[in-house]
Amino acid sequence: GENVEQHPSTLSVQEGDSAVIKCTYSDSASNYFPWYKQELGKRPQLIIDIRSNVGEKKDQRIAVTLNKTAKHFSLHITETQPEDSAVYFCAASLFAGNQFYFGTGTSLTVIP
Amino acid sequence: EPEVTQTPSHQVTQMGQEVILRCVPISNHLYFYWYRQILGQKVEFLVSFYNNEISEKSEIFDDQFSVERPDGSNFTLKIRSTKLEDSAMYFCASSGDRGGTEAFFGQGTRLTVV
Repeated sequence: GENVEQHPSTLSVQEGDSAVIKCTYSDSASNYFPWYKQELGKRPQLIIDIRSNVGEKKDQRIAVTLNKTAKHFSLHITETQPEDSAVYFCAASLFAGNQFYFGTGTSLTVIP
Repeated sequence: EPEVTQTPSHQVTQMGQEVILRCVPISNHLYFYWYRQILGQKVEFLVSFYNNEISEKSEIFDDQFSVERPDGSNFTLKIRSTKLEDSAMYFCASSGDRGGTEAFFGQGTRLTVV
């Protein structure tokens, strides 16, 4: 089955700096890659996703890039703010499948 | 905005007891999932459910687990004889379509087995 690895496990950045979280996946058939943000004690919420026919997607301060050849995808947060502090999970799934394989999570702390 | 709701938010049970975790998915969604997250670890897939039957399950989802959609709104996860290692946060999720679309998560049920 699919194996998703995520790095780093913890990340601290100064407010205003950029944060990058990287994930790799093992199954070349995976073609949908969502990113979820989980604030302490709350449910995971989708923040951005990308499909395999796209190399990059941006939504305001958040962007995701996908390299299908290398089987890795990354989350980029620019101009970080304290409210960006949370655990971020990457995931991979198949269009034809219906389970998400999650990474181990990155705990992001934005220092004011 | 529609939400997936789960009850209870926290359940404490004795080892060997049966527990039922309840979920109300978003009303027009067709695909339902249970995931669990052991404290400090990744979110792990347990089972997916579509058209009143299990469509996929992981190796975690053994014979002590079962799921049911007893009516048009609820989706339940039953653990027959709980073990200490079943202690985790259990998330229900639903989506309107198969993979490639957003899964909406409930707020979770924290299960503590003592």
